Amino acid sequence: DAKTTQPPSMDCAEGRAANLPCNHSTISGNEYVYWYRQIHSQGPQYIIHGLKNNETNEMASLIITEDRKSSTLILPHATLRDTAVYYCIVRVDNYGQNFVFGPGTRLSVLP
Amino acid sequence: SAVISQKPSRDICQRGTSLTIQCQVDSQVTMMFWYRQQPGQSLTLIATANQGSEATYESGFVIDKFPISRPNLTFSTLTVSNMSPEDSSIYLCSVVTQTGTEAFFGQGTRLTVV
Repeated sequence: DAKTTQPPSMDCAEGRAANLPCNHSTISGNEYVYWYRQIHSQGPQYIIHGLKNNETNEMASLIITEDRKSSTLILPHATLRDTAVYYCIVRVDNYGQNFVFGPGTRLSVLP
Repeated sequence: SAVISQKPSRDICQRGTSLTIQCQVDSQVTMMFWYRQQPGQSLTLIATANQGSEATYESGFVIDKFPISRPNLTFSTLTVSNMSPEDSSIYLCSVVTQTGTEAFFGQGTRLTVV
């Protein structure tokens, strides 16, 4: 079973920041928080991941609370192309470990 | 990174027949996974494709229904056998790099069984 809880859907205005929350209260010390997204009719795409420090890349920022029980994915300037299902996944950083997907959050970016 | 090519991208099949889906990766990877995504649902792991040995199946999935081959470190196939309409789904191939950091996914095979 997925170890994360996400809202089923969210809306965001184009050009505004999209803040997607994720609860992972049972996360273990060696588990990372990963974010993927799936645009309609495509395979999931990696966005970002982190252990306990905040992370930023060209796509997004990941804010992890100090107790690591929750995190927020931030898309700083959402565009219509960011409309997708966003999955928050906790996983041990080991190549033998698969990714367990929950229902995710369906983000709709509105013009 | 890894680039994954899946074939076919979509197919419509008659019930009772079988379809083999191919997954080709542009680099050698140790771990390859097969997922199913039923209409409107999230991804569910079918099995881990092991090179040189039998695949490891998740609960609810069996080898007779979903035989998997993994002849080398860049290629795998998934067969959906004796299909029924309930098998209509998107089937996705995934690999994890040697560093174990990210998973890369193919574009999926959209299967419709009629």
